[in-house]
Amino acid sequence: DVKVTQSSRYLVKRTGEKVFLECVQDMDHENMFWYRQDPGLGLRLIYFSYDVKMKEKGDIPEGYSVSREKKERFSLILESASTNQTSMYLCASSSAGGEGTEAFFGQGTRLTVV
Amino acid sequence: RKEVEQDPGPFNVPEGATVAFNCTYSNSASQSFFWYRQDCRKEPKLLMSVYSSGNEDGRFTAQLNRASQYISLLIRDSKLSDSATYLCAVNRRTGANNLFFGTGTRLTVIP
Repeated sequence: DVKVTQSSRYLVKRTGEKVFLECVQDMDHENMFWYRQDPGLGLRLIYFSYDVKMKEKGDIPEGYSVSREKKERFSLILESASTNQTSMYLCASSSAGGEGTEAFFGQGTRLTVV
Repeated sequence: RKEVEQDPGPFNVPEGATVAFNCTYSNSASQSFFWYRQDCRKEPKLLMSVYSSGNEDGRFTAQLNRASQYISLLIRDSKLSDSATYLCAVNRRTGANNLFFGTGTRLTVIP
């Protein structure tokens, strides 16, 4: 059974804290993604990575950074958390295959910044 | 203009009804198309890919119209268990398989 695992289901952090969200996949996928999901806005891509140490900005990278030191792990970092970063964060992975490649999601991390 | 747009609903339909969702995409370079299902407080999961010739999986039929740049999902004989949010996704290959998602359409099937 394929698996994408996010380190926490729920997190509460204070404004200004540095926050790390971890994601691990066991499918040897090349591509990994971080999305945030907000009511009325849907899923928005923050960053993605198509190889170890490679990263590219998505649609809303401001306030975030990422790290991919190993193929199976993709971390999202909030350098200085703010209340507008309160959201559901979803990690996903997919293989580098051709068209029609499915993305698999982790269970999500609901982050609240107070 | 958003990359992918869909009607957020909600759609409330009785059991046994047929319901259809549409989703439009803005970039004609889009190559792959999908419908995902997301249950409340859960992660999205692939429902079905959408192929150029259209495809069917039991009560679910997906279609693609490249000329008008939309995809559709038809659910026949709705079940209570079909209640969920349905997300369309479009892939435009630019170095990685980036998926652009619509906001999702919420469906509630009523007994």
